[in-house]
Amino acid sequence: GQNIDQPTEMTATEGAIVQINCTYQTSGFNGLFWYQQHAGEAPTFLSYNVLDGLEEKGRFSSFLSRSKGYSYLLLKELQMKDSASYLCAVMDSNYQLIWGAGTKLIIKP
Amino acid sequence: GAVVSQHPSWVICKSGTSVKIECRSLDFQATTMFWYRQFPKQSLMLMATSNEGSKATYEQGVEKDKFLINHASLTLSTLTVTSAHPEDSSFYICSARVSGWRETQYFGPGTRLLVL
Repeated sequence: GQNIDQPTEMTATEGAIVQINCTYQTSGFNGLFWYQQHAGEAPTFLSYNVLDGLEEKGRFSSFLSRSKGYSYLLLKELQMKDSASYLCAVMDSNYQLIWGAGTKLIIKP
Repeated sequence: GAVVSQHPSWVICKSGTSVKIECRSLDFQATTMFWYRQFPKQSLMLMATSNEGSKATYEQGVEKDKFLINHASLTLSTLTVTSAHPEDSSFYICSARVSGWRETQYFGPGTRLLVL
């Protein structure tokens, strides 16, 4: 079967760095996405990785290792507004997105 | 990024009525749109995949006669919840896929449906 695993909840301090991990097992791979979803709102696109390595975009970076079925989202200089759920999703061989359950990130002052 | 709109953002209706939700891609053409449902504190659940000009593909457990999907053009897909009941109350979110090497999905703002 297809499976995406990510921690249910994480807590971090304002100004710090946090890494949210995602492991996956899917039928085929056409890229891995990270989305941010604030409570009561729809998800917004953060990043896309299809090749191994680190993609940096401002305070957010995303890493992929296809051989390990592993990705992480790195958030630096955390701000209170970063409190949200972070969704990992993998596009399988049929170009369908397989979603993780999301990681709720709580930022404390 | 690409912009997707959804209308209405809020719907309150009586049990037994039908509700139509529109999803539009504003600055791009979307051959494929997706409809999701999300209950409070739960993950996104894909309901159906909508392709322009053809019948939608429904996920297992989703009643196609209850959730009617029409993808009439490359910029518009509609979801009609027929004979809504209180258990249909949820957050309905559409997304549109931008074709290309990234095949990224962009989400509409969502529609909150409350059935009384």
